[in-house]
Amino acid sequence: EQQVQQSPASLVLQEGENAELQCSFSIFTNQVQWFYQRPGGRLVSLLYNPSGTKQSGRLTSTTVIKERRSSLHISSSQITDSGTYLCAMENTDKVVFGTGTRLQVSP
Amino acid sequence: EAGVTQSPRYAVLQEGQAVSFWCDPISGHDTLYWYQQPRDQGPQLLVYFRDEAVIDNSQLPSDRFSAVRPKGTNSTLKIQSAKQGDTATYLCASSPGWGDTQYFGPGTRLLVL
Repeated sequence: EQQVQQSPASLVLQEGENAELQCSFSIFTNQVQWFYQRPGGRLVSLLYNPSGTKQSGRLTSTTVIKERRSSLHISSSQITDSGTYLCAMENTDKVVFGTGTRLQVSP
Repeated sequence: EAGVTQSPRYAVLQEGQAVSFWCDPISGHDTLYWYQQPRDQGPQLLVYFRDEAVIDNSQLPSDRFSAVRPKGTNSTLKIQSAKQGDTATYLCASSPGWGDTQYFGPGTRLLVL
């Protein structure tokens, strides 16, 4: 069974601190996507990062295919960053999501 | 550009009742996905289409769930005889093609009593 593990399961930060979220895959994949979901809100794609490093604003994702992992770095966190961050891998005809990292940013 | 739209937003059923969910993907996206997201869990793919063809429905409980996309545009997901374990948010997403960025709708929250 293809699996996606995310860590940490939850994270509490003070505003301004940085966050590092990790995602590991049970198989090799070159299709990795990071999503954000506010409680009760829709899933929003943050970064599509099949390999290497990609940046979007305060978000930086690094995917290392041969190590079957991807990370998401959030710099200078803001209260509005609070929510759940999910990574997903796509392989042949399967899409598998991780269970997410719940991030809470406090003032 | 309009995003992915879904209806209804909420549904409450008694066990044994049927319900249908509708999804209108982004125009021009040939790939459409249906996910089930139980509370406090990540989405799980139920079925996905390329145009009107079902590509993978291996995770769809075939005895009670069905999904169609007859013209390769809108899609309907139907639960024939709902169970309490079906309580979840049902998400629809579309993408220009397999492996491209997926865009999600707001979801339909289903509660089965």
